[in-house]
Amino acid sequence: AQSVTQLGSHVSVSEGALVLLRCNYSSSVPPYLFWYVQYPNQGLQLLLKYTSAATLVKGINGFEAEFKKSETSFHLTKPSAHMSDAAEYFCAVSGRNQAGTALIFGKGTTLSVSS
Amino acid sequence: DAGITQSPRHKVTETGTPVTLRCHQTENHRYMYWYRQDPGHGLRLIHYSYGVKDTDKGEVSDGYSVSRSKTEDFLLTLESATSSQTSVYFCATRPGQPNEKLFFGSGTQLSVL
Repeated sequence: AQSVTQLGSHVSVSEGALVLLRCNYSSSVPPYLFWYVQYPNQGLQLLLKYTSAATLVKGINGFEAEFKKSETSFHLTKPSAHMSDAAEYFCAVSGRNQAGTALIFGKGTTLSVSS
Repeated sequence: DAGITQSPRHKVTETGTPVTLRCHQTENHRYMYWYRQDPGHGLRLIHYSYGVKDTDKGEVSDGYSVSRSKTEDFLLTLESATSSQTSVYFCATRPGQPNEKLFFGSGTQLSVL
């Protein structure tokens, strides 16, 4: 069964600083991996996804993530944080061979951005 | 986002009463999911559906049942609500393949007193 672990439930950065949110996955075969963002009192929206094309995936709002099979990681980065990036971020995994398989989410990382 | 509507948006109920949450979609997506979101736990899957009248359990299905009598509606029922079921419930849909993104509703805040 697939699972994801997000390291750090809360990350704080200054505006303009690098954002790094960590995600490690567990899967017997390379899975599909996703990052979602949730702004206060809203549903989740997709930031980016890895589906085995390029290992470096670019998403919306300047975020990107790199799939590293050797490290079973899919960390999310952004070179320069903006106040509007403050939100909760979820890493998620989905199996490849089961069309109905639900996404399994990590516990989330809250990103705070200070001025 | 996609046409996914959850109702009600907020509900307060008493312990022991049955509660039904509704998810309605206008996208004709095949797959539908119910998640609950709790602080420190992220989103946990309750039940999901892979077609009309085809449903399966998720990791936290105890105390919940679901029904899908038509493509557009997926109902979540709390048979006898307990305080531990106080949570935010999200419905999500997906067109088909596992590499496609989920589309989320706006959530239902349920408080069981």
